[in-house]
Amino acid sequence: QQQVKQSPQSLIVQKGGISIINCAYENTAFDYFPWYQQFPGKGPALLIAIRPDVSEKKEGRFTISFNKSAKQFSLHIMDSQPGDSATYFCAASIAQAGTALIFGKGTTLSVSS
Amino acid sequence: NAGVMQNPRHLVRRRGQEARLRCSPMKGHSHVYWYRQLPEEGLKFMVYLQKENIIDESGMPKERFSAEFPKEGPSILRIQQVVRGDSAAYFCASSPRAGGPEETQYFGPGTRLLVL
Repeated sequence: QQQVKQSPQSLIVQKGGISIINCAYENTAFDYFPWYQQFPGKGPALLIAIRPDVSEKKEGRFTISFNKSAKQFSLHIMDSQPGDSATYFCAASIAQAGTALIFGKGTTLSVSS
Repeated sequence: NAGVMQNPRHLVRRRGQEARLRCSPMKGHSHVYWYRQLPEEGLKFMVYLQKENIIDESGMPKERFSAEFPKEGPSILRIQQVVRGDSAAYFCASSPRAGGPEETQYFGPGTRLLVL
């Protein structure tokens, strides 16, 4: 029940295209859903996060869509750029209780120029 | 405002030696989380600490691993008698508080442990 399932494992997108990464969770107590971006040899960096009281959050080219009833959330990267090539992790936690983040296994995104 | 600092960035140990990993949280952050990342996998939670207290160690292996976050100084993750399976990247994250809108965790650059 603590799992977060992420797909696809890898993704190749043309420059200017839309990258879409999906995550699904089981624990309905989760109330905080961040996305992290990680470059090789670096630590994960917070990209964008959402709470279940909203269905969408947009920051620049990055959008989270959240479907509470389906227990799914996704990251959309609009106008994908070669600099977006990285590994993306979705995560979930029970923020009110200060619990640790439960991470998906990651998606390696490659944006071709 | 300096971010989360971890040292060393790379650590090589032989089987049976001890590994000691350090994490200095962001200024003003009193909550520290340790995660382990194996090659081609996501991050797995190990332990959650506040100053002088272990809050949740449910992700820690029962033997050889220990963690502390003293009143003064960095948080330490200690691995005794390392084995090759301990080779991984170990990340520390800090947050200013647990719960509410300030619970975002900020990650350090990690320590990459290689056990020969």
